Amino acid sequence: QLQLQESGPGLVKPSETLSLTCTVSGGSISSNTYYWGWIRQPPGKGLEWIGSIHFSGSAYYNPSLKSRVTLSIDTSKDQFSLILSSVTATDTAVYYCARQSLDLAYSGSYYYFDFWGQGTLVTVSS
Amino acid sequence: DIQMTQSPSSLSASVGDRVTITCRASPSINKYLNWYRQKPGKAPELLVYAASSLQRGVPSRFSGSGSGTHFTLTISSLQPEDFATYYCQQSYFGNTFGPGTKVDIK
Repeated sequence: QLQLQESGPGLVKPSETLSLTCTVSGGSISSNTYYWGWIRQPPGKGLEWIGSIHFSGSAYYNPSLKSRVTLSIDTSKDQFSLILSSVTATDTAVYYCARQSLDLAYSGSYYYFDFWGQGTLVTVSS
Repeated sequence: DIQMTQSPSSLSASVGDRVTITCRASPSINKYLNWYRQKPGKAPELLVYAASSLQRGVPSRFSGSGSGTHFTLTISSLQPEDFATYYCQQSYFGNTFGPGTKVDIK
């Protein structure tokens, strides 16, 4: 069974950089039919997609965060990572990593998040 | 930008009730719409993808329908584990989640 696990500091100071890693086990990160994504959820609020990356290194981002976000992937370790720069208190959230699978159908190519990590709370505070 | 809305924002129901949640997209997203259930303190779980395809292992009491700008998630007989928050998500252009619908016990 595929498992994803987020890791990284739980506390980051304002204006500094948030860095998280997601480790994938029970399956390979190097498959053409998957992207690997980051989604966050501020306390008591809804879900916000941050960005997704393919094992080839191709990535796409939420336009509202794009200027501050970098995604990377390490296929030798089955890990992918998130860097979010210049954080403020509004970046406080539970950060989830997830697998984004592709379903090829006659009517289109459909992506969806089918496996999720448990999430990790990152608090931005001095 | 694709805007997603959900209605209602919350609802109260009883075990065994039939529940329908609506998601609207602007502009049209064809059938690029997924549904998730999120229990408190847990990660979201995929229920339905491509508007109407049931994810493997998801109970048949869940069903999705719609295309274009109007979508629905129906739970035919609400179970105790279904008291949760439900999110729709479009994957037509980037990814955007709806604001959520909280289902609680009447």
